[in-house]
Amino acid sequence: GAGVSQSPRYKVAKRGQDVALRCDPISGHVSLFWYQQALGQGPEFLTYFQNEAQLDKSGLPSDRFFAERPEGSVSTLKIQRTQQEDSAVYLCASSKTRNTGELFFGEGSRLTVL
Amino acid sequence: GDSVTQMEGPVTLSEEAFLTINCTYTATGYPSLFWYVQYPGEGLQLLLKATKADDKGSNKGFEATYRKETTSFHLEKGSVQVSDSAVYFCALSEMGNTPLVFGKGTRLSVIA
Repeated sequence: GAGVSQSPRYKVAKRGQDVALRCDPISGHVSLFWYQQALGQGPEFLTYFQNEAQLDKSGLPSDRFFAERPEGSVSTLKIQRTQQEDSAVYLCASSKTRNTGELFFGEGSRLTVL
Repeated sequence: GDSVTQMEGPVTLSEEAFLTINCTYTATGYPSLFWYVQYPGEGLQLLLKATKADDKGSNKGFEATYRKETTSFHLEKGSVQVSDSAVYFCALSEMGNTPLVFGKGTRLSVIA
C-alpha cells in the first residue's frame, strides 16, 4: 500500500539483545519521526529526520538508542543491549514537507523485552 | 516545556450520545493544535486541526475550537456511533520548531 510501513510488527527480545526496527515512509515524504508509546500512554518523541539529516534527537532516552536514515528514505531505529523498560510500541511517522504537525503514522512495532 | 493534558478515560457512551473530550495545553509560543485518532488495530491518523485562535477544526462530525484564553481544544461530537470507538489523542506543535507533543489519550467506547 501507500502508507507508512513498519517491520517487524512484533519483536520479542531477551534482555541484553540488540534490536533493529525498520520504517518505510510514504514515498517522497521529506520528514520522518520516531515515537515511543508505552502501554496506556501517549506517544513520546524520540527523533526527527529531514531527508537524511537527523535534526533532533533530543528524545532518545539513552545512548543505547540510535536512528539513521542514510538515503533520506527508509529509516532504522536500533536499540542496543535492550532493557525491560524499553518494552513499548515504536511508532514511525512521515510528513510531506518539513514539520507541520500533520503526520502519517505506521501501525508500529511492538517490542517486548523479557 | 510544552505539554498537553486530556481527560482520563475510558469514556463509555451509548450510541447517539453527545461526546466531549477535554484537552488543555501549555506552550511557550503559539502552537497549532491537533486531534489524532487510533482505531483498533490501526495507526494514528489525523482527525482535525486548528492553527490559530478561534479556528474551528472539523471532520467526520467531530469539532474542536482553539481557545487561546482558556488554552483549550476540547473535542466534541453531537451524536456518536459505534464506529467512533477508538483512542483519541490531543496534540500540539510549535510549527516547524518542535515535534508533535501528545496527551496520554482517551479511550472511547460506544455501545449500541
